[in-house]
Amino acid sequence: AQTIHQWPVAEIKAVGSPLSLGCTIKGKSSPNLYWYWQATGGTLQQLFYSITVGQVESVVQLNLSASRPKDDQFILSTEKLLLSHSGFYLCAWSPEQYFGPGTRLTVL
Amino acid sequence: QQQVRQSPQSLTVWEGETAILNCSYENSAFDYFPWYQQFPGEGPALLISILSVSNKKEDGRFTIFFNKREKKLSLHIADSQPGDSATYFCAAILGANTGKLTFGHGTILRVHP
Repeated sequence: AQTIHQWPVAEIKAVGSPLSLGCTIKGKSSPNLYWYWQATGGTLQQLFYSITVGQVESVVQLNLSASRPKDDQFILSTEKLLLSHSGFYLCAWSPEQYFGPGTRLTVL
Repeated sequence: QQQVRQSPQSLTVWEGETAILNCSYENSAFDYFPWYQQFPGEGPALLISILSVSNKKEDGRFTIFFNKREKKLSLHIADSQPGDSATYFCAAILGANTGKLTFGHGTILRVHP
């Protein structure tokens, strides 16, 4: 069975500080991987997707970047956090689009 | 322009009733429509989905009715239970294997015992 793990579970960070969020999927080879952002009480916005190692496509620009260093790993990062980055970050794999448990980010 | 719209924004039903959640879309090229259920603090979970070549899909108490001509679909939850209380998202994909989802804003469902 496939499992998807995200870390950390939650983060509280200061404006201007760097950020790195991780996602790992086990039990699925060469998955398509996706990052989503969800404001509190809001809809889900797809941020990035990757169909293979080393290849990442941006869907929206939010001063974030993503990388796929390994087949089973997807990283979301930024050098400088903004207040608007607060929210719930979700990783998913397709084609079924199963979501991970998410990371709650609060920027103060 | 909102590509996928959901209504109502929130819905309250009594236990045992059928809840009906509506969804419409703009792009006639969308060909796959998954519905997700999300509980507070958790990631969305795929509930049921339908391809645009079908007009109905059933899975237990959950049924999708799809009208391609009108670009509308609805999720019916029969015999609603308090445990069904959650936010439901309709999504649409252009190309079933691309994973490029567009989500609606969700319907908050409350089921009163």
